[in-house]
Amino acid sequence: AQTVTQSQPEMSVQEAETVTLSCTYDTSESDYYLFWYKQPPSRQMILVIRQEAYKQQNATENRFSVNFQKAAKSFSLKISDSQLGDAAMYFCAYSSDNAGGTSYGKLTFGQGTILTVHP
Amino acid sequence: NAGVTQTPKFRILKIGQSMTLQCTQDMNHNYMYWYRQDPGMGLKLIYYSVGAGITDKGEVPNGYNVSRSTTEDFPLRLELAAPSQTSVYFCASRQHRVVYGYTFGSGTRLTVV
Repeated sequence: AQTVTQSQPEMSVQEAETVTLSCTYDTSESDYYLFWYKQPPSRQMILVIRQEAYKQQNATENRFSVNFQKAAKSFSLKISDSQLGDAAMYFCAYSSDNAGGTSYGKLTFGQGTILTVHP
Repeated sequence: NAGVTQTPKFRILKIGQSMTLQCTQDMNHNYMYWYRQDPGMGLKLIYYSVGAGITDKGEVPNGYNVSRSTTEDFPLRLELAAPSQTSVYFCASRQHRVVYGYTFGSGTRLTVV
């Protein structure tokens, strides 16, 4: 079974600085997707960024970028120029793209990292 | 353009009571999911559906039931509520291709006392 591990329960960063959130995963599949979701106090799950495993290029969305190391099964999120509105719980998630597998299309989540942004 | 709508947003149940959490999506997605999120934890899959009339168990299905009579609706039934079911429940849906991601509802906070 796939597992996703976020080893940092909490992180903090100064406004305008850069922070990196860590995520590792375990899978035997070759076709999959990785996601970072943001959950602010409102509870809404907001997609921050996604990475397709077959793409070597790291995904980037404005101030958010990932460092995808497929061989190491690592998927970290870098937030540049941190803003107060970035404060939230961040979840790393995995989804198989193997239509023949039992995990196809289901999201497996890490435990989450609470990010605090200091003014 | 409502996306995924969950009702109610909050609910307090007494031990042994039953209730149904409603989930409706207007995006014509075949795939729908129910997750629960315990305090300080990630989301765990309860049940999922790949289309009307087809449902299957996820990681933590005990104490719950689902049905999928239409593409739009995917209600989650709690029978004989227990304190261990105190959690936040999320419904989600997605298009056929996983790459397009998932749309989540805003969640239902359930407390069983």
